[in-house]
Amino acid sequence: DVKVTQSSRYLVKRTGEKVFLECVQDMDHENMFWYRQDPGLGLRLIYFSYDVKMKEKGDIPEGYSVSREKKERFSLILESASTNQTSMYLCASSYRLMSSSYNEQFFGPGTRLTVL
Amino acid sequence: KQEVTQIPAALSVPEGENLVLNCSFTDSAIYNLQWFRQDPGKGLTSLLLIQSSQREQTSGRLNASLDKSSGRSTLYIAASQPGDSATYLCAVPSGGYQKVTFGTGTKLQVIP
Repeated sequence: DVKVTQSSRYLVKRTGEKVFLECVQDMDHENMFWYRQDPGLGLRLIYFSYDVKMKEKGDIPEGYSVSREKKERFSLILESASTNQTSMYLCASSYRLMSSSYNEQFFGPGTRLTVL
Repeated sequence: KQEVTQIPAALSVPEGENLVLNCSFTDSAIYNLQWFRQDPGKGLTSLLLIQSSQREQTSGRLNASLDKSSGRSTLYIAASQPGDSATYLCAVPSGGYQKVTFGTGTKLQVIP
């Protein structure tokens, strides 16, 4: 079974703190993704990575950065947390096949982040 | 820009009923589509990935169909059980490498 794990289920931080969210997958997937999920807005893509050290902005990258130093690990960084970044953060991974079509994504359990 | 709509937003049915969840999308130039379930406060669990060449995909009591020409996918759940209670989401490719647009989901409650 594909396994995607996230470092914390719940996290509480203060405004202005630097926050690291970690995601690890064990299926040798090339692609990894960070989403946030908010009531009424659904899931929105923050960043994704298709290879080590490669990253692409998603729909809402402002206020976030990412790091992918190893294939299995993808980190989301909030440089200076703000209250509007309170959300559920979901990591996902997928294979990168030869075609450009969408490939099945597998999700982690999520991190509920609260910024006070 | 891909727009995805899931109707109804919420559904409550008695145990044992067969039911259909709908996912509509505006850009039909897609190769496949994925259905997920999400339990409260949890991540997404993949249910089915249906290819445009398949038209239908089955897993146990679940059956998903895809009609690109009408911009619609349906998830059929047979003989519903209380354990099926969850939010069901569809993810539709939205142009650009590996990008998808998620519907806002249908929250299903199966009453014993």
